[in-house]
Amino acid sequence: DVKVTQSSRYLVKRTGEKVFLECVQDMDHENMFWYRQDPGLGLRLIYFSYDVKMKEKGDIPEGYSVSREKKERFSLILESASTNQTSMYLCASSFRPPEQYFGPGTRLTVT
Amino acid sequence: DQQVKQNSPSLSVQEGRISILNCDYTNSMFDYFLWYKKYPAEGPTFLISISSIKDKNEDGRFTVFLNKSAKHLSLHIVPSQPGDSAVYFCAASAPSGTYKYIFGTGTRLKVLA
Repeated sequence: DVKVTQSSRYLVKRTGEKVFLECVQDMDHENMFWYRQDPGLGLRLIYFSYDVKMKEKGDIPEGYSVSREKKERFSLILESASTNQTSMYLCASSFRPPEQYFGPGTRLTVT
Repeated sequence: DQQVKQNSPSLSVQEGRISILNCDYTNSMFDYFLWYKKYPAEGPTFLISISSIKDKNEDGRFTVFLNKSAKHLSLHIVPSQPGDSAVYFCAASAPSGTYKYIFGTGTRLKVLA
């Protein structure tokens, strides 16, 4: 069974804080993704990575950065958290189409 | 501009009946379509997919139909069960060739016992 784990299920941070969300997969997948899910907007891609140290912007990269130093780990960084970044963050990994395997999500609240 | 649309935010169906979830897309270059199911407090799980060269794919109680001329796909669940109650997302692979997917906004299905 593919396992994608995320470091926290719930997180509360203050405006302006630097926030790190960690994601780890155990299936040696090349591709990893960060999404945010908001009501009425579905899942929107923030960044993805197709190899170690490689990254590409998704549809909504502003205010975020990512790091992939090891194949199994993909980190999402909020450089200076803002209230409009309050959301559910979902990490996924994939080897090839069609499936992406998702983690359980991190519900981030920025106050 | 929403390239993948799920126009029904919610749907209620009686147990044992058919559930039909719909999805429309605008980009004729999409070549792969997927359906995911999401329970509260969990990540989405892959359900079924279809390539653009097919018009139907079946897996047990789940069947996906693709109508390329109408840029429309649908997921049929027969018979519906209470455990099917979840949010369903359709997704389409971005035509760039990378493994990017564009998701719809989701439809919340409630199966009534």
